[in-house]
Amino acid sequence: DQQVKQNSPSLRVQEGRISILNCDYTNSMFDYFLWYKKYPAEGPTFLISISSIKDKNEDGRFTVFLNKSAKHLSLHIVPSQPGDSAVYFCAAWAGNTGKLIFGQGTTLQVKP
Amino acid sequence: DAGVIQSPRHEVTEMGQEVTLRCKPISGHDYLFWYRQTMMRGLELLIYFNNNVPIDDSGMPEDRFSAKMPNASFSTLKIQPSEPRDSAVYFCASTNGRNTEAFFGQGTRLTVV
Repeated sequence: DQQVKQNSPSLRVQEGRISILNCDYTNSMFDYFLWYKKYPAEGPTFLISISSIKDKNEDGRFTVFLNKSAKHLSLHIVPSQPGDSAVYFCAAWAGNTGKLIFGQGTTLQVKP
Repeated sequence: DAGVIQSPRHEVTEMGQEVTLRCKPISGHDYLFWYRQTMMRGLELLIYFNNNVPIDDSGMPEDRFSAKMPNASFSTLKIQPSEPRDSAVYFCASTNGRNTEAFFGQGTRLTVV
């Protein structure tokens, strides 16, 4: 049972355009969400996070939106750059258990 | 701090052999997680520890997998006996509390032939 789901395995975007990565979750006890970026042969690195008490958090070109009623969050990258090409993982902390659960990942390719 | 350190980076072993993966978390972090990266499940949580105590090992796929954390600076994930389907990249991560970012090691790429 995949509690954090990233239903799009891959996404291709033109440089300079917006990239939108989506994530759905099933557990209403999740109270903190994160996005990670992963390059080949490296460990995932933290990108941006959002608490369940907020609906938006912005950091430079990266913005995360949270829709609790739909149990959905998204990561917007504007403008996209070729260096953003990587695998992006969505993750959620389960407040009642202390688990940190990740999705399947979405491979973003930004074309020059 | 050097970050989360995993060893070895690569491990190739024959089916049936015992494999031990090692992790040194960031000093002062009280949570330690072991994940396995697969195409189907992404980063799959295997087990996590809080203050060196295993809290949830429900993600460990079979009894062949075991993990220990004898002290705050060291954890191991052991597979005995190993099978070809265990081939994957295994990551260790640590955090300072909950609802905060986790720091990952560079992973161990395990190949069982």
